[in-house]
Amino acid sequence: GNSVTQMEGPVTLSEEAFLTINCTYTATGYPSLFWYVQYPGEGLQLLLKATKADDKGSNKGFEATYRKETTSFHLEKGSVQVSDSAVYFCALSSLSAGNNRKLIWGLGTSLAVNP
Amino acid sequence: DGGITQSPKYLFRKEGQNVTLSCEQNLNHDAMYWYRQDPGQGLRLIYYSQIVNDFQKGDIAEGYSVSREKKESFPLTVTSAQKNPTAFYLCASSITGQGGTQYFGPGTRLTVL
Repeated sequence: GNSVTQMEGPVTLSEEAFLTINCTYTATGYPSLFWYVQYPGEGLQLLLKATKADDKGSNKGFEATYRKETTSFHLEKGSVQVSDSAVYFCALSSLSAGNNRKLIWGLGTSLAVNP
Repeated sequence: DGGITQSPKYLFRKEGQNVTLSCEQNLNHDAMYWYRQDPGQGLRLIYYSQIVNDFQKGDIAEGYSVSREKKESFPLTVTSAQKNPTAFYLCASSITGQGGTQYFGPGTRLTVL
């Protein structure tokens, strides 16, 4: 079945450090891929997405490239800020029985950025 | 402003009581979803609905019930049959056929005492 695996946290970085959060997936067909961010006590916000191979999603300095050959969608940011401290979720869009579309979620990676 | 509202943000109930969590959206989205979030377990799908008057069980539907009488509303009832109801509950919605992008409400934290 379809699945998403993302690196375990917590990840702790100093401000202005480079961030990579790994995400790999298993899927049939051509799923869309997503990164969501959740700040403490809040709902999830869409951070970026990519809908086909080699697409690069980007937003707020974060980037991720849809790599079909390595089944990966790693999240990167060149210089993190304290305000980036949050939990990051990787997800893929899966077409299930009855033509219903659902998201398959990774377990989330907690990021803490220290000043 | 368009968006998804969930109320209340914090909810306390005694064990054995049913409780209903509200979810309303004014995005004109067809599909709506309920998730449960526990520490270290990511998001687990409880129920989802693609159109009015129709809904399907997700991965952990036991002890929960939903209704979808209006496009804008998708309330979730946590029944006394749910063995461990204390959790953070998230509602989401999406446009059918838009590649699956879901938009989330702020969540309701339910504590059963």
